[in-house]
Amino acid sequence: DTEVTQTPKHLVMGMTNKKSLKCEQHMGHRAMYWYKQKAKKPPELMFVYSYEKLSINESVPSRFSPECPNSSLLNLHLHALQPEDSALYLCASSQGSLNYGYTFGSGTRLTVV
Amino acid sequence: TQLLEQSPQFLSIQEGENLTVYCNSSSVFSSLQWYRQEPGEGPVLLVTVVTGGEVKKLKRLTFQFGDARKDSSLHITAAQTGDTGLYLCATHLIQGAQKLVFGQGTRLTINP
Repeated sequence: DTEVTQTPKHLVMGMTNKKSLKCEQHMGHRAMYWYKQKAKKPPELMFVYSYEKLSINESVPSRFSPECPNSSLLNLHLHALQPEDSALYLCASSQGSLNYGYTFGSGTRLTVV
Repeated sequence: TQLLEQSPQFLSIQEGENLTVYCNSSSVFSSLQWYRQEPGEGPVLLVTVVTGGEVKKLKRLTFQFGDARKDSSLHITAAQTGDTGLYLCATHLIQGAQKLVFGQGTRLTINP
């Protein structure tokens, strides 16, 4: 299995809702990432998990809460989001070594209304 | 200031033409990667270049890493409509842990 699977593919939520994005990989990768991508922009890093521990938080607002239950799963819990949080949320995984590429999922297209 | 500067930001050409896109920086990198992203999908790794002066070929795509490891180029020969997409260069930074940062991308459109 050489894929990163993200669910759901599309999500519409109100500003008072609580929702979660899910990401799964079975490649044995030890690092997992959340990226946010706005229209016509490159992906921007949000969080890095290494060996199931949060190692980088790029000053992301607390309304985004990551969780890594085990080495194959990564969640992003969403609460009280704003319309400007609407974006494509990408999950990725990697071996963790510098010269290895990242494997990205297809993303969750999030719309906050 | 962007760590990786890509040019051009937009490029629209006819099928069959050749093109080159660039990724430049004032910093020296241990490696650089190129990704291609289609609408509604995640980026897909095309290549990693590691050695200064290195040239790698992937069918009609030729990637080069500058001698000083500060810049890279992607050349496409005889472009096809299937080459349409967002081309992103990226490099790893170490800030407590490893993270991948992207240039702003080149949006390429190949017209039939």
